[in-house]
Amino acid sequence: QVQLQESGPGLVKPAETLSLTCTVSGGSLNSYYWSWIRQPPGKGLEWIGYIYYSGNTDFNPSLKSRVTISVDTSKNQVSMSLSSVTAADTAIYYCARDLDGMDVWGQGTKVTVSS
Amino acid sequence: QSVLTQPPSASGTPGQRVTFSCSGGSSNIGRNIVNWYQQFPGTAPKLLIWRNTQRPSGVPDRFSGSKSGTSASLAISGLQSEDEADYYCSVWDDSQNGWVFGGGTKLTVL
Repeated sequence: QVQLQESGPGLVKPAETLSLTCTVSGGSLNSYYWSWIRQPPGKGLEWIGYIYYSGNTDFNPSLKSRVTISVDTSKNQVSMSLSSVTAADTAIYYCARDLDGMDVWGQGTKVTVSS
Repeated sequence: QSVLTQPPSASGTPGQRVTFSCSGGSSNIGRNIVNWYQQFPGTAPKLLIWRNTQRPSGVPDRFSGSKSGTSASLAISGLQSEDEADYYCSVWDDSQNGWVFGGGTKLTVL
């Protein structure tokens, strides 16, 4: 069965770029969208954006100017970067397989923005 | 402020039937499918209801979804203590050209 695993630094300094990778195992990236979602401490879910396996992307308008999502089919990985981070970007970041809804989720990775 | 409105909390006793509402608009629920997610503390969300009414494999038939106009509902029948969790609705919003989530409803089983 498909499994997703997020990885990346747990601590990022303000104004720097947050970079995360989602490694997909047990399945292919093909024919799916791959979403990134975040959840600030004690708060609800926020969709960041997604990428189709072919490379097409869409982003949350509130984050669009700061977000990049890319795919590496040879490594079965999806990557997300968020620039110019502030404390408001502190959250658990999830990647998820997206087929009219997020049916497979990674366990999430906690990112704290602090100097 | 979420595009989708959910009551922040709900409660019920074991065996009861509880429902959760999700209110949206013409650019989201009014024209697109609604999904529901269940999240236990410290864990990733899990897809509970897909495409308005469908249950992914492994989801008990105690859980059901419906949609009417610009609102959607999730119902749990035969409430169990292990159903205590947060529940989120989500839909594609054509105005924002992206997925939006409700603020979530925290279910307490008394």
